[in-house]
Amino acid sequence: EADIYQTPRYLVIGTGKKITLECSQTMGHDKMYWYQQDPGMELHLIHYSYGVNSTEKGDLSSESTVSRIRTEHFPLTLESARPSHTSQYLCASRNRGAYTEAFFGQGTRLTVV
Amino acid sequence: AQRVTQPEKLLSVFKGAPVELKCNYSYSGSPELFWYVQYSRQRLQLLLRHISRESIKGFTADLNKGETSFHLKKPFAQEEDSAMYYCALRSNFGNEKLTFGTGTRLTIIP
Repeated sequence: EADIYQTPRYLVIGTGKKITLECSQTMGHDKMYWYQQDPGMELHLIHYSYGVNSTEKGDLSSESTVSRIRTEHFPLTLESARPSHTSQYLCASRNRGAYTEAFFGQGTRLTVV
Repeated sequence: AQRVTQPEKLLSVFKGAPVELKCNYSYSGSPELFWYVQYSRQRLQLLLRHISRESIKGFTADLNKGETSFHLKKPFAQEEDSAMYYCALRSNFGNEKLTFGTGTRLTIIP
């Protein structure tokens, strides 16, 4: 089924650990996005990608990094997690073209202790 | 720079009353504008886009370029409309950024 998947859904990890949040979509979309969202609050764009091998930083400065080696995969990595990284991370994708809908994953709720 | 402003973080409306969620934007071109909705424990999903000029779940939104606004309206609120609503903007030229406003939590009072 065409969808966008994020794993894990929940992650509790200690300070200083390296983590990778996975995002995969099976819709063949070129454009992909990562947002940071505290529960019920605003979405901050932290990274986006036009397509394979193209990534850009978003509006909110983030210590995370992303890669786009394959169209369907857009992982986000934190080299050294800190409590300030505690948040929900949402991945989205959309097809090329005007006014195309962005599809969102379920999100990963990250807690750094 | 593109920016979306939703001035109301919280809005409570009685069932059956009209609803208006405000959205203003700044962008130096022709933007694409959207409203997204997030119901409790569900994913963020598209509600409507300005190009469609259609009514979805009774909601409409009109783009006013003079006032740079894209307010969301519904004449008669229903309890199932309670949710978080986000206005979003995307450049239709080059830049692929999809920027969201701060969101408005709409609560419908029975």
